[in-house]
Amino acid sequence: EDQVTQSPEALRLQEGESSSLNCSYTVSGLRGLFWYRQDPGKGPEFLFTLYSAGEEKEKERLKATLTKKESFLHITAPKPEDSATYLCAVQDLNFGNEKLTFGTGTRLTIIP
Amino acid sequence: DAGVTQSPTHLIKTRGQQVTLRCSPKSGHDTVSWYQQALGQGPQFIFQYYEEEERQRGNFPDRFSGHQFPNYSSELNVNALLLGDSALYLCASSLALGRGRGSPLHFGNGTRLTVT
Repeated sequence: EDQVTQSPEALRLQEGESSSLNCSYTVSGLRGLFWYRQDPGKGPEFLFTLYSAGEEKEKERLKATLTKKESFLHITAPKPEDSATYLCAVQDLNFGNEKLTFGTGTRLTIIP
Repeated sequence: DAGVTQSPTHLIKTRGQQVTLRCSPKSGHDTVSWYQQALGQGPQFIFQYYEEEERQRGNFPDRFSGHQFPNYSSELNVNALLLGDSALYLCASSLALGRGRGSPLHFGNGTRLTVT
């Protein structure tokens, strides 16, 4: 059974204070690891897909990295508008399996 | 380019009733998945539809059923509602696997279902 564990559960940072969110995963074969951002009362918004160990993706102040067992979402000089819950999910290699297994998320708060 | 749209946005039902939620996928997408998200939790996979058939199902009872129409839109039906069915129900669309490598799911903003 695929499993995803995210840490910390919640993180409060001062504006401009960089940090990282962790996503540890267990999957029989990784088709892809996905990062989503979710604002209160909204659906998850797609950020990145990572496919293989060593891969990195960047978007504005966010950078996602991947190893064989975990992924990190690095946030550089965050702004209050980066406050949200960040969800990590994995997709298994089994053919026809598009199911995403999600973690419980990290609730990020950026204080002005 | 319209994204994934869901209706209604909010719904209040009584235990034992039945509910139908609706979803229109993002333009160009042909696969629809449904997820249940309880408060403070990550989304849990319910099932996925492609070519009007259920392709895969998560660990949800038969009270949860669905349908996909020829225009790729979809419905989620839940019978004999329980208090524990209260959650945000998310619809996500994507392209079939054969056309891409692990194409990302695009989510709607969900239907907030409250069962009293």
